[in-house]
Amino acid sequence: AQSVAQPEDQVNVAEGNPLTVKCTYSVSGNPYLFWYVQYPNRGLQFLLKYITGDNLVKGSYGFEAEFNKSQTSFHLKKPSALVSDSALYFCAVRVMNSGYSTLTFGKGTMLLVSP
Amino acid sequence: DTGVSQNPRHKITKRGQNVTFRCDPISEHNRLYWYRQTLGQGPEFLTYFQNEAQLEKSRLLSDRFSAERPKGSFSTLEIQRTEQGDSAMYLCASSPSPEETQYFGPGTRLLVL
Repeated sequence: AQSVAQPEDQVNVAEGNPLTVKCTYSVSGNPYLFWYVQYPNRGLQFLLKYITGDNLVKGSYGFEAEFNKSQTSFHLKKPSALVSDSALYFCAVRVMNSGYSTLTFGKGTMLLVSP
Repeated sequence: DTGVSQNPRHKITKRGQNVTFRCDPISEHNRLYWYRQTLGQGPEFLTYFQNEAQLEKSRLLSDRFSAERPKGSFSTLEIQRTEQGDSAMYLCASSPSPEETQYFGPGTRLLVL
């Protein structure tokens, strides 16, 4: 079965420092991986995805993610954190079924950026 | 705004009552998904529509839940005889094809007292 693990419930970082939010996955076949962000009482906003190609994927708001097939990881990164980046981040893997796909999400990681 | 919209944003109801939520997908998207998110968890898939056809339902979707998408446009999710365990955020997403990114609405937060 496809699954996603986010090993950290919370990540704390000071504004201006680099941030990393970790994600590992387990899939059969080629992985299709996503990062979404959720602000309080809001839905999920798409940040970026990996389908194929370059292992470093660039997304919205200065975020990027590095796909590592040997380590089955897809960590989210940003060179310089902002206080406004504080939110709940979800990693997801797309599961292909017969003619449709669904997303399987991790439990989420709360990112707190302090001033 | 051409994103996914959901109404109402919040719903408080008493146990045993029926509730109905609405989702309006992005207009060009013929795929529509419902997910449920409980506190401290990621969203979990509930059901999927391709145009007006409901093609898949998760085991999470008990007999008290029903979803429709008449004419392949907006969708409704109804919960009958609500239980306290139904309290959650109900999220709707849409995409133009199974391979494309799913875009989510703001969600409907349900509290069953």
